[in-house]
Amino acid sequence: SQTIHQWPATLVQPVGSPLSLECTVEGTSNPNLYWYRQAAGRGLQLLFYSVGIGQISSEVPQNLSASRPQDRQFILSSKKLLLSDSGFYLCAWGEGGIVQPQHFGDGTRLSIL
Amino acid sequence: DAKTTQPNSMESNEEEPVHLPCNHSTISGTDYIHWYRQLPSQGPEYVIHGLTSNVNNRMASLAIAEDRKSSTLILHRATLRDAAVYYCILKNAGGTSYGKLTFGQGTILTVHP
Repeated sequence: SQTIHQWPATLVQPVGSPLSLECTVEGTSNPNLYWYRQAAGRGLQLLFYSVGIGQISSEVPQNLSASRPQDRQFILSSKKLLLSDSGFYLCAWGEGGIVQPQHFGDGTRLSIL
Repeated sequence: DAKTTQPNSMESNEEEPVHLPCNHSTISGTDYIHWYRQLPSQGPEYVIHGLTSNVNNRMASLAIAEDRKSSTLILHRATLRDAAVYYCILKNAGGTSYGKLTFGQGTILTVHP
């Protein structure tokens, strides 16, 4: 069966520090991968998605970047965090079709001080 | 993407049925209706999807209006573990959607013991 792993579960970082969140998927090949962010009390916002190794599409301009160095590895990064980067970050995978569901990780709660 | 409208919140008693409505008056003929739910401090979880016909699975039922401008997610017997935010989302078969999900604010379901 397929599983998705996301770490760390919680993270507290100072403003201006770098960020690296990692997500890996097991049990499937060539999945579509997604990074979402959920600000406090709000819905999920799609940040990035990838349909293959090295391919990244950005949905909104921001202080973050994403990379996909391997088929089942998706990384969210920042060189210098801002206070507005605080939130709940979720990685998801899917087969990309119209009916196939997306499967989400447990998320990383990021607090910027 | 076509937009959905859901009530901000609903309440139910344990072991009673729950009907969660969703309006999507601008739905196109190729839009599928998907439902996800998000338990507190967790990533969203796929619940069910449909196109035109009513659908049933182990988690819930989906009733779709004949004109497809609205749908209802039915939880047949609510439990305390069903307390979550429920999202109604339209996914389009055409274009380069790559399976992206656009989350709204959803409906916060409270289940009383």
